[in-house]
Amino acid sequence: AQSVTQLGSHVSVSEGALVLLRCNYSSSVPPYLFWYVQYPNQGLQLLLKYTSAATLVKGINGFEAEFKKSETSFHLTKPSAHMSDAAEYFCAVSQNAGGTSYGKLTFGQGTILTVHP
Amino acid sequence: DSGVTQTPKHLITATGQRVTLRCSPRSGDLSVYWYQQSLDQGLQFLIQYYNGEERAKGNILERFSAQQFPDLHSELNLSSLELGDSALYFCASSAGHAPSTDTQYFGPGTRLTVL
Repeated sequence: AQSVTQLGSHVSVSEGALVLLRCNYSSSVPPYLFWYVQYPNQGLQLLLKYTSAATLVKGINGFEAEFKKSETSFHLTKPSAHMSDAAEYFCAVSQNAGGTSYGKLTFGQGTILTVHP
Repeated sequence: DSGVTQTPKHLITATGQRVTLRCSPRSGDLSVYWYQQSLDQGLQFLIQYYNGEERAKGNILERFSAQQFPDLHSELNLSSLELGDSALYFCASSAGHAPSTDTQYFGPGTRLTVL
């Protein structure tokens, strides 16, 4: 079974500081990995996804993530935090086609990012 | 705006009742997914439909059922409601041609409160 662990349920940074949100996965097959963002009272929005092409993936709003197979990690980073980045971030893994979990996303517990002025 | 619509936005009901949540996918998307988000369980996959047929099932209770209609909208039916069913229910849609890598577009959710 696949699983995702997000280290740190809350992360607080100052505006302009580096954002680092950690995600580790467990999968018996090559995974497809996603980062979603959820703003208050809204649905989830895709930030970026890794689908076995380039290991460094660039997303929207200046975010990027690097797939590291040796570390089973897919950490999300942004060089300079903005107040508008305050939200909850979810890492998710999708199983390869086949089986009973076709297309299912398994989410981590989420990390709430707070940005201080 | 993701293009996925969900109705109603809020639903308040009593234990033992039955409710229906509705989802309209983005134009052209064939796959619909239902997820439940609660404080204790986090985001959990419930069920997936593709072009009217059930494709995958997660930890969906027997009291819950879903279907996807010929016009591709989907409904999630929750019956014999319990306090623990209070949660945010999301619908997501994707093109459906490559389920594992397709982007899933999420609707704004239906917040269900069971009293």
